[in-house]
Amino acid sequence: QVQLQESGPGLVKPSQTLSLTCTVSGASISSGDYYWTWIRQPAGKGLEWIGRILTSWNTNYNPSLKSRVTISVDTSKNQVSLRLSSVTAADTAVYYCARHVLLRNYDAFDVWGQGTMVSVSS
Amino acid sequence: DIRMTQSPSSLSASVGDRVTITCQASQDITNYLNWYQQKPGKAPKILIYAASSLETGVPSRFSGSGSGTDFTFTISSLQPEDIATYYCQQYDTFFTFGGGTKVEIK
Repeated sequence: QVQLQESGPGLVKPSQTLSLTCTVSGASISSGDYYWTWIRQPAGKGLEWIGRILTSWNTNYNPSLKSRVTISVDTSKNQVSLRLSSVTAADTAVYYCARHVLLRNYDAFDVWGQGTMVSVSS
Repeated sequence: DIRMTQSPSSLSASVGDRVTITCQASQDITNYLNWYQQKPGKAPKILIYAASSLETGVPSRFSGSGSGTDFTFTISSLQPEDIATYYCQQYDTFFTFGGGTKVEIK
């Protein structure tokens, strides 16, 4: 079955760039069949969609984060990466990667990673 | 931005009770709405898609209804394992989630 695993530094300094990787197993991210998405959740709060990628040239970002976000893929490693620049304490959250299935009658995040906690602090 | 307003933010009910959560969109989203369950320390799990369709493998006590701007999520008979926070999510224009409803056992 498809599994997603997030990884990356748990602590990032303010104004620096947060970099996370999502390793996908059980599916090929180069197939173009699915979007790969990043979603975050501050402690005790709700969920915020960050952005998604289908292929290297097909990305969409949350307008509120667009100026700071880059999502990319490394098909050789079957990995999806997230970079968020100029971070502040407000970016402290659990970051999830998820598979986004888009079919005629189904549009949902159906498989999620376990999430990785990132704190922004000096 | 499409804003999703969920209510209540929390509720306490007894095992076997019928539980209802509402979600209101700030504009018409037809039926472009999903419901997720998130247990403590875990990732969300899709339960209902397209407002009223049950995800494969999800117990039939979970159901959803609504269209346009007003949606309802129902647990027909609350079970101890249903303790979680439930989120609605629209996909009409990008993706936004409701604030969540925490369900506890009385």
